[in-house]
Amino acid sequence: NAGVTQTPKFQVLKTGQSMTLQCAQDMNHEYMSWYRQDPGMGLRLIHYSVGAGITDQGEVPNGYNVSRSTTEDFPLRLLSAAPSQTSVYFCASSLRVSPTRSSSYEQYFGPGTRLTVT
Amino acid sequence: GQSLEQPSEVTAVEGAIVQINCTYQTSGFYGLSWYQQHDGGAPTFLSYNGLDGLEETGRFSSFLSRSDSYGYLLLQELQMKDSASYFCAVRDRYGGSQGNLIFGKGTKLSVKP
Repeated sequence: NAGVTQTPKFQVLKTGQSMTLQCAQDMNHEYMSWYRQDPGMGLRLIHYSVGAGITDQGEVPNGYNVSRSTTEDFPLRLLSAAPSQTSVYFCASSLRVSPTRSSSYEQYFGPGTRLTVT
Repeated sequence: GQSLEQPSEVTAVEGAIVQINCTYQTSGFYGLSWYQQHDGGAPTFLSYNGLDGLEETGRFSSFLSRSDSYGYLLLQELQMKDSASYFCAVRDRYGGSQGNLIFGKGTKLSVKP
């Protein structure tokens, strides 16, 4: 299994440009999410999905869109990039949590996309 | 809403024991998790506590007291490779039946020779 993959690894955008960050997982996980990580801020949830066709907003959704047409893919779209969106973006996935299966509480992260908006 | 508090930095020497504390406030509690992140890397899962008590995995242990809204990660026989950031995380009551994972701001552990 490749696990969670993200592309690109690095990206530089100009203010106002749009782009899509790709995320895919091959573990048949139902739950997928996007986080951004800024220095001193930890990981903050942008959007999440509990299954194909279902998405919802997290803590910091403004300026981002997501879709989940398949179980495997969960792309994040930046509509009009702003310098405040300069960050490291992580995609994550996990199984549906089960109290009888402790391993289901593990969330798997992709390697991240380092985005700079100038 | 949820909030988690953990120290921002901890320094220890190789071979020592270090404890990283985490206190949380949450409207619904679904367990406390710990993740490790090396500089430039992705977070990786270390442990999960759904019930009170101690969970041990090799050199790492994690403890939870739900009545105190408190947990800690204990790292024993510290090695240089343990230098990393450590995040505690709780699940909220959104995100379907399982909750979204909400992270603390992280504790940067520096292990000195």
